[in-house]
Amino acid sequence: DTEVTQTPKHLVMGMTNKKSLKCEQHMGHRAMYWYKQKAKKPPELMFVYSYEKLSINESVPSRFSPECPNSSLLNLHLHALQPEDSALYLCASSQVGTVGYTFGSGTRLTVV
Amino acid sequence: GENVEQHPSTLSVQEGDSAVIKCTYSDSASNYFPWYKQELGKRPQLIIDIRSNVGEKKDQRIAVTLNKTAKHFSLHITETQPEDSAVYFCAASLGNFNKFYFGSGTKLNVKP
Repeated sequence: DTEVTQTPKHLVMGMTNKKSLKCEQHMGHRAMYWYKQKAKKPPELMFVYSYEKLSINESVPSRFSPECPNSSLLNLHLHALQPEDSALYLCASSQVGTVGYTFGSGTRLTVV
Repeated sequence: GENVEQHPSTLSVQEGDSAVIKCTYSDSASNYFPWYKQELGKRPQLIIDIRSNVGEKKDQRIAVTLNKTAKHFSLHITETQPEDSAVYFCAASLGNFNKFYFGSGTKLNVKP
């Protein structure tokens, strides 16, 4: 399995909702990432997990809460989002300290 | 932190022509430079990469060159085809490759 699987593919949520994005990989990668991508813009790093521990938080608002319950799974919990948080959320994985980033297909999030 | 600039923002070429996209970076400690292709609504996909100890790398119709002194690197696509049409992102990475700094993207349009 050489893929990073993200669910759901599309999500519409209200500003008072709580939802979660899920990312899964079975390549044995021990680094996992969350990126946010607005239309016509490059991906922006949000969080990096290394060996299931949060190693980088790019000053992301607390309404985004990452979780890495095991080496194959990465979640992003969403709460009280704003319409400007609407974007494509990409998960990626790699081996720690080596090149070879694999992106998932993303979750297209719309906040209404 | 690192700053990656990418030019041009849009590029139109005739099928069969060559396309060149250029990026500059600011941090001389950057040591890994991947290029990603992103088709509309799809995930970024790695197409070629180069490390700082190499000046050029080629893979069929795609090549990347790196000038460490000038701190710039370029993507060259020869014999372009309509399926090369996409947005291309360059990136630079420091140290252990966990964090990528992306350029702003180039929308390549290959006209049949």
